Formats: sequence, structure tokens, C-alpha cells
Amino acid sequence: NAGVTQTPKFQVLKTGQSMTLQCAQDMNHNSMYWYRQDPGMGLRLIYYSASEGTTDKGEVPNGYNVSRLNKREFSLRLESAAPSQTSVYFCASTVRDRGGEKLFFGSGTQLSVL
Amino acid sequence: LAKTTQPISMDSYEGQEVNITCSHNNIATNDYITWYQQFPSQGPRFIIQGYKTKVTNEVASLFIPADRKSSTLSLPRVSLSDTAVYYCLVGADRSGANNLFFGTGTRLTVIP
Repeated sequence: NAGVTQTPKFQVLKTGQSMTLQCAQDMNHNSMYWYRQDPGMGLRLIYYSASEGTTDKGEVPNGYNVSRLNKREFSLRLESAAPSQTSVYFCASTVRDRGGEKLFFGSGTQLSVL
Repeated sequence: LAKTTQPISMDSYEGQEVNITCSHNNIATNDYITWYQQFPSQGPRFIIQGYKTKVTNEVASLFIPADRKSSTLSLPRVSLSDTAVYYCLVGADRSGANNLFFGTGTRLTVIP
């Protein structure tokens, strides 16, 4: 049981290049999230998906697109990377058991845009 | 959506009890309060969650007053390994449209 798996762990892009960050969870969770965390800062929500086939914008969606491919996978795409998108990206999924949502995070993707 | 306010940083000596308070004045009726811990280069990790009064687990206690406009995470007898950033999260639990926002967190430094 791997939990939430993100790939790649590290990536360097040039300005204008595109790439897709992959995320998969094996916990049968319905909801999945993408966050970014800039150095010394808290996490900011980019996009989330409440269930398979649905996606919604979070706080900072500009410059990103997402795809909820199936219940397990939720990918984040940068169509034209910019230096301002240099950050650590975390994917998470949630379970709700006898209470509110509880987030389970992947180990992150460190992205540098030159 | 309920925004949260926490102290930016706190220092504590090993063995002391640490209390971190979070303000969430706009909490909604069906929102839960959840605390996460984050170490450098790792994703946040769930610590504890509550709705009202007091919740305790093997790691921490969470105190929530009757008006639910604040909450306090209590870490008993901290050790050096508790040095981390602690986030208070108040969930917007609208059916089919959950979105969970983190605040800036509290950086706890435990001193030997």
C-alpha cells in the first residue's frame, strides 16, 4: 500500500516548456488535490477534484490545467512554464471517516523553471 | 470559506508542553478543525481532528471552545523531533465541492 505517489521527484524546465506532474493514490479516495509550496511559505491550493470526472479551481489555478483520469490518478499540467512556477508541488487525497476530511500527501515534486 | 490565523513561530525547550492556537472566526457549522505537521522536504502529515470540546490521541490534544472560533493544539513534553511547521485547517465540507485551504502555519522550534 503505497498511499499517494508522485512523479517525478525533481524536474528542471526552461521557460516556455511544458510538462505534466503525475499523481496516483491506491487508497480508493474520492477527492484529490494539488498544492504548491514556495520556499518558507504555506501550501496554496491549485486545483482539486471532488470525484472522478470533476475538477475545480483553488486559490492559484492560473497557468495550470488538471485531469482526473480515473479515480486513482490526478495529473497537473504546466502548458508554458514560467519562473514564477518554481515551487514544490504536493498532491493529496482525502478520506472522510467519522469526521471531516483528512488529507494524505505525496512526497512532493520539486520543480525549477529557469 | 474559513480562513485561519496562527502565530508565525514559537520556541520551546525539550520536555515542555506546547500550545499552538489558531483563530478561525468564520468557521461554518459543518466544518471540522484539523491539524497537520510538516517536516522539511516532506508533505504535511495528519495529527488530529475535532469538531468541538476536546479530542486526544497518542500524539496530541485539541481543545475547541464552545463558539468554535479558535482551537488549540497541545503537544505534551515536546522533543527535538517535534521541530516542524504546524498547520491548522478548517474544512469547507460542502457536498461534492470540498476545498481545503492551508494558512501560513506555525514554525515550532524545540530547543535542547
